Amino acid sequence: DQQVKQNSPSLSVQEGRISILNCDYTNSMFDYFLWYKKYPAEGPTFLISISSIKDKNEDGRFTVFLNKSAKHLSLHIVPSQPGDSAVYFCAAHNYGQNFVFGPGTRLSVLP
Amino acid sequence: ETGVTQTPRHLVMGMTNKKSLKCEQHLGHNAMYWYKQSAKKPLELMFVYNFKEQTENNSVPSRFSPECPNSSHLFLHLHTLQPEDSALYLCASSQGGPDEQFFGPGTRLTVL
Repeated sequence: DQQVKQNSPSLSVQEGRISILNCDYTNSMFDYFLWYKKYPAEGPTFLISISSIKDKNEDGRFTVFLNKSAKHLSLHIVPSQPGDSAVYFCAAHNYGQNFVFGPGTRLSVLP
Repeated sequence: ETGVTQTPRHLVMGMTNKKSLKCEQHLGHNAMYWYKQSAKKPLELMFVYNFKEQTENNSVPSRFSPECPNSSHLFLHLHTLQPEDSALYLCASSQGGPDEQFFGPGTRLTVL
């Protein structure tokens, strides 16, 4: 049973619009959540994270929202750029243990 | 050289072969990780080392044997693998906890 789920395998967005990537988790013990971005033939790179004591964290064009009661988090990218086209992984852990990645969502930003 | 490097980038081996994957990090981190990414499956954490000590082994079969001689180097020794072990093997490092891990480019392994 997957503890971290990304139910949309792919997403296409027009350049300049908002991209919203969703992630759901089942383990209520998770206390830290992260988003990674992966280009082909490269390893994932860390993008942004959020602690369970917060409900929002913003870094430039990237904002992560956490809804603990719904066990749901989302990554907003605005405005989307063609260079944002990549696979985005949601990940979570509980106090440094049980580090789990989601299956990823492939984002395509169309010019 | 900077970041996390992995060698080889591609490896094809038979089921009776013995081979090793190498990971090196030049970031001064004290934690290193091995992940496996199979086709259409999420990244799976295999092993975690902190200060050269193994702190996590996620029920990985014994045909995978990690070695961490120092905080900068991590090996994954492979022997008598199965075709289903074919995957992308990623190494990562971090300072302290597992947040903000830096990943290498991975080794694409094919077991014939």
